[in-house]
Amino acid sequence: AQSVTQLGSHVSVSEGALVLLRCNYSSSVPPYLFWYVQYPNQGLQLLLKYTSAATLVKGINGFEAEFKKSETSFHLTKPSAHMSDAAEYFCAVKKAAGNKLTFGGGTRVLVKP
Amino acid sequence: DTGVSQDPRHKITKRGQNVTFRCDPISEHNRLYWYRQTLGQGPEFLTYFQNEAQLEKSRLLSDRFSAERPKGSFSTLEIQRTEQGDSAMYLCASSLAGLNSPREQFFGPGTRLTVL
Repeated sequence: AQSVTQLGSHVSVSEGALVLLRCNYSSSVPPYLFWYVQYPNQGLQLLLKYTSAATLVKGINGFEAEFKKSETSFHLTKPSAHMSDAAEYFCAVKKAAGNKLTFGGGTRVLVKP
Repeated sequence: DTGVSQDPRHKITKRGQNVTFRCDPISEHNRLYWYRQTLGQGPEFLTYFQNEAQLEKSRLLSDRFSAERPKGSFSTLEIQRTEQGDSAMYLCASSLAGLNSPREQFFGPGTRLTVL
């Protein structure tokens, strides 16, 4: 069975500082990988996805993620945090031949002025 | 607005009562998914439909849960004899179908269920 591990349930960053959210997956074959963001009392919005094209994926709102097969990782970064980045972030995997998403436990980001 | 909509947004019920939630997907999407999200956790897959056919169900979906998508458009999720452990956010998502393709799932705002 697939699983997703997000290291750190809470991350606090200063405005303007680097945001780094870690995601590791377990899968026998390279899956499709996603990062979603969830603002309070809202559904999930897709930030970016890895589909086996380029290993460095650029998403919305200045976020990007790098797929590293040797490390089974798909960490999310943003060079400079903005107050509006305060939210919960979820990493998810989907088997290439599957349909459902398997999510990590989420990382809540707090941005300090 | 042409996104995924869910109704109601909040539901408070007493233990033992039945509840039903509705999801309206993006109109051209033929796949519809239900997930459950408990506090502090990521969403967990419950079930999905392609058109009106329910193609996969999670073991999380006990006998008290039933989902339908009668005409391949909107879907309902019913929970019978609710228990306090059913308290969660129920999320609906929809996507286009695609063989072995990472079609994005678009999520609705969710229905937050509280069982007293």
